[in-house]
Amino acid sequence: GQQVMQIPQYQHVQEGEDFTTYCNSSTTLSNIQWYKQRPGGHPVFLIQLVKSGEVKKQKRLTFQFGEAKKNSSLHITATQTTDVGTYFCAGPGYGGSQGNLIFGKGTKLSVKP
Amino acid sequence: NAGVTQTPKFRILKIGQSMTLQCAQDMNHNYMYWYRQDPGMGLKLIYYSVGAGITDKGEVPNGYNVSRSTTEDFPLRLELAAPSQTSVYFCASSYSNEKLFFGSGTQLSVL
Repeated sequence: GQQVMQIPQYQHVQEGEDFTTYCNSSTTLSNIQWYKQRPGGHPVFLIQLVKSGEVKKQKRLTFQFGEAKKNSSLHITATQTTDVGTYFCAGPGYGGSQGNLIFGKGTKLSVKP
Repeated sequence: NAGVTQTPKFRILKIGQSMTLQCAQDMNHNYMYWYRQDPGMGLKLIYYSVGAGITDKGEVPNGYNVSRSTTEDFPLRLELAAPSQTSVYFCASSYSNEKLFFGSGTQLSVL
């Protein structure tokens, strides 16, 4: 079945350092979504990527979708303590069937002030 | 708009007991989902629904049941609670399997 793998599982950075998390799928994805979950909170949607090779930016966050639409990355420039949380990627399961959104295990980011 | 509302927020069950986790959304979303999140782990899809009267199994459906009689509500039923079902349960909704809105979660312990 559909699998979405994320690395690393944990990342500890000093405030001001950059951070990157990677997401890989075993199959081609029609789209990929990114979510952030603060400690003790619920996941919150960040962005969706649809096109091959797409790059989107949200302030210090840069999201990329691979040319083959099987991998994606989230890069945070100059991390801040407010970036702390777990970042998840998610993609449609079973070849893109409706309603079945599979999440990766997430990358937990901690930022030391 | 309240968004996605889950009740209860916390619950402790004894092994073998049953309960229903409630989920309601007021955004007129067609898609609704139930995920479970074990400590330090990702989200596992239990069941999902693409509209009223339509439900389908996700990755980990065993031990759970759902129904979708209305667009707004998507309750999750645990029939015979087991310790392995100790988890945080999140309900979510979306317009079209994109941009999910999550509820605040139900923390369930089965002892």
